[in-house]
Amino acid sequence: DVKVTQSSRYLVKRTGEKVFLECVQDMDHENMFWYRQDPGLGLRLIYFSYDVKMKEKGDIPEGYSVSREKKERFSLILESASTNQTSMYLCASSLQNSGYTFGSGTRLTVV
Amino acid sequence: SQKIEQNSEALNIQEGKTATLTCNYTNYSPAYLQWYRQDPGRGPVFLLLIRENEKEKRKERLKVTFDTTLKQSLFHITASQPADSATYLCARPKNSSASKIIFGSGTRLSIRP
Repeated sequence: DVKVTQSSRYLVKRTGEKVFLECVQDMDHENMFWYRQDPGLGLRLIYFSYDVKMKEKGDIPEGYSVSREKKERFSLILESASTNQTSMYLCASSLQNSGYTFGSGTRLTVV
Repeated sequence: SQKIEQNSEALNIQEGKTATLTCNYTNYSPAYLQWYRQDPGRGPVFLLLIRENEKEKRKERLKVTFDTTLKQSLFHITASQPADSATYLCARPKNSSASKIIFGSGTRLSIRP
């Protein structure tokens, strides 16, 4: 069964901390994505990667960075966590023009 | 920029009936539309992709249509069951980049026994 695995289901971090969210896929997909999902705002794309070491900003990249050193792993970094980054974070992967496979999500709370 | 709208925030229907969810898009027709199911606290699960040149696609009790004249996709669940209760999302490619998609806000479907 194909999988996208997010390292943590729940995280609580303090304001100002540097936060790493890890995502691993086992499907050899070229494309990987990070979304956040908030009530009333839906799914919003933070960053997108279409190949190793390649990245593209999504709709809300401010306050985030990403790293893709290996094809199967895509990391989201919150450089200095703030309370407005409290959210559900979802990683996904896909082939070109195909459906996305999502991870189970990481619910991040910044206090 | 392209938009995608799911007009119904919530839909409640009786078990056994057909549920029909609507997704409308703006501007040019996308190369394809996708439908996902999302349960509370979980990531979306991909259900179906329908391409611009396909009028209809089926998968078990699911049927999706793509009407480029109306700029609309309909998602049907026949013989609905309480286990079908979830939020359903439609999605389209964002602008010319076919790999990035944008999601509608979702329709929360409740099937009552």
